Amino acid sequence: DTGVSQNPRHKITKRGQNVTFRCDPISEHNRLYWYRQTLGQGPEFLTYFQNEAQLEKSRLLSDRFSAERPKGSFSTLEIQRTEQGDSAMYLCASSVGNPVYGYTFGSGTRLTVV
Amino acid sequence: AQTVTQSQPEMSVQEAETVTLSCTYDTSESDYYLFWYKQPPSRQMILVIRQEAYKQQNATENRFSVNFQKAAKSFSLKISDSQLGDAAMYFCAYFGGADGLTFGKGTHLIIQP
Repeated sequence: DTGVSQNPRHKITKRGQNVTFRCDPISEHNRLYWYRQTLGQGPEFLTYFQNEAQLEKSRLLSDRFSAERPKGSFSTLEIQRTEQGDSAMYLCASSVGNPVYGYTFGSGTRLTVV
Repeated sequence: AQTVTQSQPEMSVQEAETVTLSCTYDTSESDYYLFWYKQPPSRQMILVIRQEAYKQQNATENRFSVNFQKAAKSFSLKISDSQLGDAAMYFCAYFGGADGLTFGKGTHLIIQP
């Protein structure tokens, strides 16, 4: 197991285009989290899954954002009609149950909207 | 909602010296977990140390230790014998049993050779 994998590492898109990111968690981790991190800020919670169920969504997750975790394995985060304000690092993390021992993070996907 | 505050945007320390990074948090919970994460320039977050709120003993991991003051809701990180590889962003985080971890805005640690 090589940890949490995120693809792509970098994505440049034009405003108004749709983008999709993928996260592959550690295989035995049943919880998967998405965060957004803008320059100079800490990670901000977006949403999380327990197995295939999406249990919580932040108000930061506008209706242009959608996340899925089919079959409780990998997850995708899609942003429709991207805006310049969506430019950020999108981080994925996973844990076994409640993260009382913290998360294992992926390396993130850097999105730049031009 | 829980909040985590890191009041030091940037700290600088000489190599081999000791530095303390501050963190305060706000919660109404009595049982929770606190973490310090390190984010090197490569951007992957790495867990440095964790503390369980119901344990009075401060956590220690090699050169890293915490000063946990539950009543004051303070959770500082002490790095002893600072090394060049310690240079990174450091984030304090809180987990109270619901949803996910809440992070502070981070402290940029610079190690002067």
